[in-house]
Amino acid sequence: EIVMTQSPVTLSVSPGERATLSCRASQSVSSNLAWYQQKPGQAPRLLIYGASTRATGIPARFSGSGSGTEFTLTISSLRSEDFAVYYCQQYNNWPPITFGQGTRLEIK
Amino acid sequence: EVQLVESGGGLVQPGGSLRLSCAVSGFTVTTYRMSWVRQAPGKGLEWVSYISYSSNTIDYADSVKGRFTISIDNAKNSLYLQMNSLRAEDTAVYYCARHSVNVLPFDYWGQGTLVTVSS
Repeated sequence: EIVMTQSPVTLSVSPGERATLSCRASQSVSSNLAWYQQKPGQAPRLLIYGASTRATGIPARFSGSGSGTEFTLTISSLRSEDFAVYYCQQYNNWPPITFGQGTRLEIK
Repeated sequence: EVQLVESGGGLVQPGGSLRLSCAVSGFTVTTYRMSWVRQAPGKGLEWVSYISYSSNTIDYADSVKGRFTISIDNAKNSLYLQMNSLRAEDTAVYYCARHSVNVLPFDYWGQGTLVTVSS
């Protein structure tokens, strides 16, 4: 099973600033990596797949990068609606499909 | 418009059973790969089970293998999860999710249904 580790657990950033979230895989997942956003009481929403491709309707301020074992989600200029929990997910070696434990992005 | 609506959650005693349903609209359930994903209270996401287009391939997380069964009803355009021998650690919100075309990530999710296993 591939273990996904996200860092930091909590990230405090001011609106308008840049946020950088990290995700590390225990072995290579190539570019088969997705990012999701989840707000309280809501289902997750797909942001990025293929490590760097934005899903339909996702604003350009969200970008993903990386391959192999190291990945980054960057939100270029934070808006109030971006404060949420973010999960990475690998789908290279499955089952099982595995998620990171999440990064909580909070307002500083 | 694509919609996934789960139902069937509730309070059940340890060792009991529940059947979750996911009614889909806006697409035909047999033309997409589908999964169940759960989230324990205050915790992260855990993939539970997967079913392929024609139900030829079915997979389960080790934590539920032998206790849960995923299925599809073409006539009702619905996905199901039969959960037997429930344990306290199965307590979670259960989401049905659609895998996007040609890639595996989940592009649509239901709103979730809460399963609580407690005496």
